[in-house]
Amino acid sequence: QSVLTQPPSVSGAPGQRVIISCTGSSSNIGAGSDVNWYQQLPGTAPKLLIYGDRNRPSGVPDRFSASKSGTSASLAISGLQAEDEADYYCQSYDRLSGSRVFGGGTKLTVL
Amino acid sequence: EVQLVQSGAEVKKPGESLKISCKGSEYSFTTYWFGWVRQRPGRGLEWMGLIYPGDSDTRYSPSFQGQVTISADTSISTAYLQWNSLKASDTAIYYCVRGNWYFDLWGRGTLVTVSS
Repeated sequence: QSVLTQPPSVSGAPGQRVIISCTGSSSNIGAGSDVNWYQQLPGTAPKLLIYGDRNRPSGVPDRFSASKSGTSASLAISGLQAEDEADYYCQSYDRLSGSRVFGGGTKLTVL
Repeated sequence: EVQLVQSGAEVKKPGESLKISCKGSEYSFTTYWFGWVRQRPGRGLEWMGLIYPGDSDTRYSPSFQGQVTISADTSISTAYLQWNSLKASDTAIYYCVRGNWYFDLWGRGTLVTVSS
């Protein structure tokens, strides 16, 4: 059971917009801990997609955006492309355990 | 190009020991935190712990405290993850990562298979 909860799967057609949620608690996201997002393409290592709640590293398209409110965060992907099909993970810091924690991951299928 | 170079796949028997490695960039190794993330087959990511090679400050996830040892050798810019007695449940891909609060650089992963 992950400390951060994500939907197991989401899907969307090319060109559409999808949103992936990440629900935490008062000891992590709700405590103000930054939320970060990672993309893991099939058979590859994860890659940093969003850091510090809403910042994109150099090279990440602006089709990817993120936000945070209360004890939850979300990743939005607009203009879906076939190459976006991957697993997406949120990650934060849990002040209760002193651990960096991941969500369980969400598999995005592009229909 | 900055990258983390991890050691190759390992096949071990239960009870055996193992140390895998992750080589970083010489010029910045002591100024970043480096950590390890586990991914069991078909499962999600689990943060294990991290180390600051500059002063060897090490932090562990409660789930992995006492189960593994994280260390670093600054003379060769390499971080390590070590087990004294492997279990079948340690079978996983282990990723080396750079960063403390978020992980901006990932190694390609080291597959560890523990089977009798």
